[in-house]
Amino acid sequence: DTEVTQTPKHLVMGMTNKKSLKCEQHMGHRAMYWYKQKAKKPPELMFVYSYEKLSINESVPSRFSPECPNSSLLNLHLHALQPEDSALYLCASSQTGQGAEAFFGQGTRLTVV
Amino acid sequence: DQQVKQNSPSLSVQEGRISILNCDYTNSMFDYFLWYKKYPAEGPTFLISISSIKDKNEDGRFTVFLNKSAKHLSLHIVPSQPGDSAVYFCAASNSNSGYALNFGKGTSLLVTP
Repeated sequence: DTEVTQTPKHLVMGMTNKKSLKCEQHMGHRAMYWYKQKAKKPPELMFVYSYEKLSINESVPSRFSPECPNSSLLNLHLHALQPEDSALYLCASSQTGQGAEAFFGQGTRLTVV
Repeated sequence: DQQVKQNSPSLSVQEGRISILNCDYTNSMFDYFLWYKKYPAEGPTFLISISSIKDKNEDGRFTVFLNKSAKHLSLHIVPSQPGDSAVYFCAASNSNSGYALNFGKGTSLLVTP
């Protein structure tokens, strides 16, 4: 199983809503990532979890709250988002050694209205 | 500040010919480089990688060349096939920063029959 599964594939939410994005992998990877990709831009790193601990937070606003309940799961909790937060949110996982390529999920297309 | 640069937003190549995608980087601490291929509405798919201790890595039709002194890498696809049409992202990582990926803006490759 070399898949990273993200749910939902599409999400439309209002600015007062609370929602969560979910990501799951069963490759035994101990590093998991959230990236954000706007149209015609490269993916931008948001968070890195290593061994279920948050190791990198790239100055992401607090309306985005990551959670890593166990080594296979990664969540991104969303609250009070703005329309400019609309983007493709990509989850990835990798081994933790050097040279470990990241496997990406298909992403969640988020629209904030 | 974009540390990984892909200066050609698009490239068109005839089927059977060679496609050469270029990438430059500014951070000398990067020690691992990867190429990802992305179709619309999908997550990036890993293609090929190279460690900074090597100058060439080959996998079937795909070869990546690294010139550390010039901080430049390139992806060669030969022969190009219509199914190679996608956006190609160059990415770099620094093993001291949790293996998170810094992406270039991507090059859209179109292989015409």
